[in-house]
Amino acid sequence: GAVVSQHPSWVICKSGTSVKIECRSLDFQATTMFWYRQFPKQSLMLMATSNEGSKATYEQGVEKDKFLINHASLTLSTLTVTSAHPEDSSFYICSASGTSGLSSYEQYFGPGTRLTVT
Amino acid sequence: AQKVTQAQTEISVVEKEDVTLDCVYETRDTTYYLFWYKQPPSGELVFLIRRNSFDEQNEISGRYSWNFQKSTSSFNFTITASQVVDSAVYFCALSSIPGSSGGYQKVTFGTGTKLQVIP
Repeated sequence: GAVVSQHPSWVICKSGTSVKIECRSLDFQATTMFWYRQFPKQSLMLMATSNEGSKATYEQGVEKDKFLINHASLTLSTLTVTSAHPEDSSFYICSASGTSGLSSYEQYFGPGTRLTVT
Repeated sequence: AQKVTQAQTEISVVEKEDVTLDCVYETRDTTYYLFWYKQPPSGELVFLIRRNSFDEQNEISGRYSWNFQKSTSSFNFTITASQVVDSAVYFCALSSIPGSSGGYQKVTFGTGTKLQVIP
């Protein structure tokens, strides 16, 4: 149980275009989802936290107009990188916290999405 | 503010050697969780352990063991008889525990230690 998937696993896009990354909780309902970014050889940095049905809370220094987060249902959150630039190339990881049947203290991580902007 | 320090950036050991990965943390919370994750080259985070700050008992799981010392704010991880498959980046992490009214945990990760096990 407690499986989180991400799609796509990797994506290459051209500079100036937008790309959407999906994060799904496959076997539990996720009231809270988290988005992290990891640059090569660096740690995971929390970008934003989203609760189902409400606006995401962004960490300091993260542009909310550039990184659009939608948590429309209890099993799906999306991260859209708008007008992507090469410096947005990174490994994006989502995680989810569950509700009934799972500890609300646990974060279950997705496999990550590698974004390359050319 | 919470902080996790993994002073060892990279470690190389020869297969079958024991290796300890250090983790020191800072938090103002009296209750918290500590974690270790493994990140192989594929990138997916693999959960290894969660430790509640109430529980200072050391834990052993196969070749893995963890030493939690609240007095020194350390949560070190030892791999016994290392194997090539242990090669990965290991992250130590810290989170607060949500209050009784609910909420969620915000996890702070250390910078990671890259372990290379040489055959």
